[in-house]
Amino acid sequence: RKEVEQDPGPFNVPEGATVAFNCTYSNSASQSFFWYRQDCRKEPKLLMSVYSSGNEDGRFTAQLNRASQYISLLIRDSKLSDSATYLCVVNGNTGFQKLVFGTGTRLLVSP
Amino acid sequence: GAVVSQHPSWVICKSGTSVKIECRSLDFQATTMFWYRQFPKQSLMLMATSNEGSKATYEQGVEKDKFLINHASLTLSTLTVTSAHPEDSSFYICSASFGDWGNSPLHFGNGTRLTVT
Repeated sequence: RKEVEQDPGPFNVPEGATVAFNCTYSNSASQSFFWYRQDCRKEPKLLMSVYSSGNEDGRFTAQLNRASQYISLLIRDSKLSDSATYLCVVNGNTGFQKLVFGTGTRLLVSP
Repeated sequence: GAVVSQHPSWVICKSGTSVKIECRSLDFQATTMFWYRQFPKQSLMLMATSNEGSKATYEQGVEKDKFLINHASLTLSTLTVTSAHPEDSSFYICSASFGDWGNSPLHFGNGTRLTVT
């Protein structure tokens, strides 16, 4: 089983739609979770950390479900500029010092 | 603004030559930096952990004699791809963290796109 798994997509949604991505992780002892955004041929940029109680930043909401070992990202009122690949990042099996990246979920927002 | 600077952004080199990539932390000291590689449509794969003043720690399958890492100061780490071959063509990205890097988000450099002809 991969340490971090994501549906690669693409998710095609119209502007204004709400879209959600899930990411599962294998290490039940993981403590740190993040969502990054990566535009084509660019470096990843931190979108938000994911806290146990869930957290929101504008149109973006992140949730953590420890029992089922997944994190989610909800994007409301999608904008064209939200089109990107969203990477799930978890600290990995080899210890708390190694962050492991998922392959990413591609989102395409159309007019 | 950017907190990690990487140079060059892209480079094209001939097979057999060596290429050096620089990664600098801006306005903060990074005792540890990370080097990743990303092939098209794949996830970032950690190549090595660069430790200031000591040897880098390489991930399994990464040749330390081919990918030379030097972390000579608290703000600079370099990756040298020696005797590059076309299969080394990839997107190389460095990163650093402000704090406890197991539980703190990473900030990435802008990446270096290497093409070996």
